[in-house]
Amino acid sequence: KQEVTQIPAALSVPEGENLVLNCSFTDSAIYNLQWFRQDPGKGLTSLLLIQSSQREQTSGRLNASLDKSSGRSTLYIAASQPGDSATYLCAVFMDSNYQLIWGAGTKLIIKP
Amino acid sequence: DTAVSQTPKYLVTQMGNDKSIKCEQNLGHDTMYWYKQDSKKFLKIMFSYNNKELIINETVPNRFSPKSPDKAHLNLHINSLELGDSAVYFCASSPGTAWGPQHFGDGTRLSIL
Repeated sequence: KQEVTQIPAALSVPEGENLVLNCSFTDSAIYNLQWFRQDPGKGLTSLLLIQSSQREQTSGRLNASLDKSSGRSTLYIAASQPGDSATYLCAVFMDSNYQLIWGAGTKLIIKP
Repeated sequence: DTAVSQTPKYLVTQMGNDKSIKCEQNLGHDTMYWYKQDSKKFLKIMFSYNNKELIINETVPNRFSPKSPDKAHLNLHINSLELGDSAVYFCASSPGTAWGPQHFGDGTRLSIL
């Protein structure tokens, strides 16, 4: 049974720092992995989608990597800004049973 | 223009009532989803429709019934509401069926008194 874990549960860093959020999964037979951010009281915003055949995806200051064999993905945020404060979630899609499995999220606070 | 819109944003009602949440997307996507987010912020898929056809129906009580009149709409009807139904419900859509990038609505916060 696939399990997705995100560590840490919460992270607080000063503005301007580069940071890494982690996502690990127990079953490497994923179809894709997606990173989202959620702002309080808002829906989810899809940030990056990595297909199982890909190693990384980049969008602006965000870079997501995928290492299927070790069951890990990281979300790298460069030059963090207070506007990056949100909860970041990763989700893996298993096409074997058509399930989307979510992590519990990392709550990120960027201090001005 | 809002891409995925859900109504209402807040819903407060009493146990035993029947209520509906509406969702519409103007992105031309083929697939729509309903998720439930519990108090621990954990998101769980409930249903998924592709071109009005049900493709995912997770283990949810049969008091929950999705309805898709066309591929731009996926409504969620809940009968005989229970305290445990209190949560935030998110609608989402994506192009195609391969679980591409999903676009989410802002959520409907359901509170059962």
